[in-house]
Amino acid sequence: EPEVTQTPSHQVTQMGQEVILRCVPISNHLYFYWYRQILGQKVEFLVSFYNNEISEKSEIFDDQFSVERPDGSNFTLKIRSTKLEDSAMYFCASSEFGRARGETQYFGPGTRLLVL
Amino acid sequence: QKEVEQNSGPLSVPEGAIASLNCTYSDRGSQSFFWYRQYSGKSPELIMSIYSNGDKEDGRFTAQLNKASQYVSLLIRDSQPSDSATYLCAVNPAAGNKLTFGGGTRVLVKP
Repeated sequence: EPEVTQTPSHQVTQMGQEVILRCVPISNHLYFYWYRQILGQKVEFLVSFYNNEISEKSEIFDDQFSVERPDGSNFTLKIRSTKLEDSAMYFCASSEFGRARGETQYFGPGTRLLVL
Repeated sequence: QKEVEQNSGPLSVPEGAIASLNCTYSDRGSQSFFWYRQYSGKSPELIMSIYSNGDKEDGRFTAQLNKASQYVSLLIRDSQPSDSATYLCAVNPAAGNKLTFGGGTRVLVKP
């Protein structure tokens, strides 16, 4: 069964460093998403991406964050200068059609980011 | 701020019993509703989606939606210890593709 994959599974970084989290969405899906979950808290939406551009972003997704689809398979989230409060589990998700056709989103296993 | 609210639990149920989970949402224009299961340290795993008022059954799971009351629920029949997890209610608001999640209800099924 097709699934969303993410690398790395764990990332430890120093405050102020740049990190890139990588995702491979399900191959025929058109919509891609990043969510994060701080330990013990809700899953929070960060950004959605369609047709090589951001379609929606949350207040969390400020200038420190960026997303890119560098090739036909990968979808990346970059945090330019990490802060302690960026420590969280980051989930990539993808959906086939988006809201027009019913938008079940399938989640990857996550990257646990720890900022020291 | 569009909210999705769930009782955090834990909801403790004996093995074989029915677990009943509830979720309310504030965005009246919401169209799509999802239940995800999340084991500790793992990613959300889709259990069911529901789009229309009424009941939808899939195996041991039944989702119920009442848009007038802005309420969605999940029933787990014949609960098994492997059902012990946090159940997340997620709502697609009136505009956009994002999912807004509730805080989850932790379910403990005791043998």
